[in-house]
Amino acid sequence: GAVVSQHPSWVICKSGTSVKIECRSLDFQATTMFWYRQFPKQSLMLMATSNEGSKATYEQGVEKDKFLINHASLTLSTLTVTSAHPEDSSFYICSAPGTSGREGQFFGPGTRLTVL
Amino acid sequence: GENVEQHPSTLSVQEGDSAVIKCTYSDSASNYFPWYKQELGKGPQLIIDIRSNVGEKKDQRIAVTLNKTAKHFSLHITETQPEDSAVYFCAAEGFQKLVFGTGTRLLVSP
Repeated sequence: GAVVSQHPSWVICKSGTSVKIECRSLDFQATTMFWYRQFPKQSLMLMATSNEGSKATYEQGVEKDKFLINHASLTLSTLTVTSAHPEDSSFYICSAPGTSGREGQFFGPGTRLTVL
Repeated sequence: GENVEQHPSTLSVQEGDSAVIKCTYSDSASNYFPWYKQELGKGPQLIIDIRSNVGEKKDQRIAVTLNKTAKHFSLHITETQPEDSAVYFCAAEGFQKLVFGTGTRLLVSP
């Protein structure tokens, strides 16, 4: 199946700094990618839909000015957590739908963010 | 919007037993129902999926059943092995958006 990568796999930062997470589709193009957040022992919650060439759409309750999403190309979406605080510490996961329309979504390995 | 409930939250079985995880969904427009296995510190991995025009699908030891009228679907794992131990999530998709269940922690004891 298709492969989605994320970088970095983990990051530790100080409170108040910004962190960028990359999501890449390695062997296919993705005009749409999805960003999820997962707190410990909880389910995945959709944060936003990243659209190549246009603005991201955010789920209710997700601050668009805090979680900046840029879909720079057909294989790359980035999530920037601005002015991070300890409560932003979480596991961030991206996904991209398969190109056939019948493959569902392929998930990246996730990025563990710890804000001190 | 869509709401997906998943039971049980934890499931302990002996190696070789069967395991069943059940999910219900609320939006009748949802038409795609994947199941994911997530190991600690990793992203979800698709293990099986089913679309709304099919009632059952099987892949070796794993099967999924769907009852559209009742809006519920189930994951069946037969002949469980210790390496099946993980957290399993069901999901329902409508308009390309996935809504996940709350997860089931499966523990298979040797």
